[in-house]
Amino acid sequence: EADIYQTPRYLVIGTGKKITLECSQTMGHDKMYWYQQDPGMELHLIHYSYGVNSTEKGDLSSESTVSRIRTEHFPLTLESARPSHTSQYLCASRELAGNTIYFGEGSWLTVV
Amino acid sequence: GENVEQHPSTLSVQEGDSAVIKCTYSDSASNYFPWYKQELGKGPQLIIDIRSNVGEKKDQRIAVTLNKTAKHFSLHITETQPEDSAVYFCASRTGTASKLTFGTGTRLQVTL
Repeated sequence: EADIYQTPRYLVIGTGKKITLECSQTMGHDKMYWYQQDPGMELHLIHYSYGVNSTEKGDLSSESTVSRIRTEHFPLTLESARPSHTSQYLCASRELAGNTIYFGEGSWLTVV
Repeated sequence: GENVEQHPSTLSVQEGDSAVIKCTYSDSASNYFPWYKQELGKGPQLIIDIRSNVGEKKDQRIAVTLNKTAKHFSLHITETQPEDSAVYFCASRTGTASKLTFGTGTRLQVTL
């Protein structure tokens, strides 16, 4: 079972607010990812990291930003939330030389 | 970049029947193909994977087959049970790239 945790699980906020979605993993994985997924739809990679101080943009353009100051922590921030940001955000990680990507339970964001 | 197509988008089977989900990929250099199961309100969970040097892999009621020449791979679930109901995603990875490219998902419904 994966030890990767996301908070909050559910969040409803107003337009223009700043939010940070937290993601932590206790497996010591170097690689971490953020995916955006509308309900039941495909997963789109929005950010990833190879390790501390490494951040890269994914395939889907996103107004969010990420940071990787510690191996176990990969938070995602939206400076000014909009209704178009309403979605599920999934954090994931894997070992440097491993194949399996482990996902967190997801954070459901609703911007009203 | 890699493109992964997945069919069907929805699949309904009776309990005890078999279910087959198919994916095709575009990059002949892809060498790793995982399948994920996503239950409602949860993050995707790896159920089986296959590398490009293997044609078939089986784990109890679940099997995956890979045809490198045709660039397609399939998930086979035998003796389906209601708890198999979920959304299933295929994915592919090219070389040592950090990123997985996901299919669009198949919603499997197992009816009594």
